[in-house]
Amino acid sequence: NAGVTQTPKFQVLKTGQSMTLQCAQDMNHNSMYWYRQDPGMGLRLIYYSASEGTTDKGEVPNGYNVSRLNKREFSLRLESAAPSQTSVYFCASSDPGQGSGEQYFGPGTRLTVT
Amino acid sequence: SQQGEEDPQALSIQEGENATMNCSYKTSINNLQWYRQNSGRGLVHLILIRSNEREKHSGRLRVTLDTSKKSSSLLITASRAADTASYFCAPYNQGGKLIFGQGTELSVKP
Repeated sequence: NAGVTQTPKFQVLKTGQSMTLQCAQDMNHNSMYWYRQDPGMGLRLIYYSASEGTTDKGEVPNGYNVSRLNKREFSLRLESAAPSQTSVYFCASSDPGQGSGEQYFGPGTRLTVT
Repeated sequence: SQQGEEDPQALSIQEGENATMNCSYKTSINNLQWYRQNSGRGLVHLILIRSNEREKHSGRLRVTLDTSKKSSSLLITASRAADTASYFCAPYNQGGKLIFGQGTELSVKP
């Protein structure tokens, strides 16, 4: 039981390049989330997926797109990377059926855009 | 939004001392959760207190909740160097999303 996994762990992009961050969970959770964390700051919600087939914008969605590929996988795409997107990206999942809202986090992807 | 705001932003103590962190929020909640983040890692769920509970213990952790004041506190007793981390509170309303604050950065010096 790996929990929430993210790939890659590190990535360096040049301005304008595109990439997809991958996230998968093996806990059969319905809800999944993408956050970004900048130095000295908390987590800001980019997009979330309440259930398979649905996605919604969070606090800072501009410059990002997401795909809920199936129940297990939720990917985050940067179409044209900008230096302002340099950050650490975390994926999380939760089981709304539990009723608690507790989230399980992946280890993060550290992205640098030059 | 039910964002929690932690206070203080940073706390430095000696090993063996107690550490207290506070959280304030603005909306009604079903529960309030505390998470820990070690440097460079993802958040890990520590403890959850429901809106009808006033106090909860888990090992060296003690959480209180005052819904009338919309505030919570996390106490770590007999702190250890391994407790050095950032701590986040996250108020939760059924069907809502967790909105994390900036956290309290705890440094425990040996």
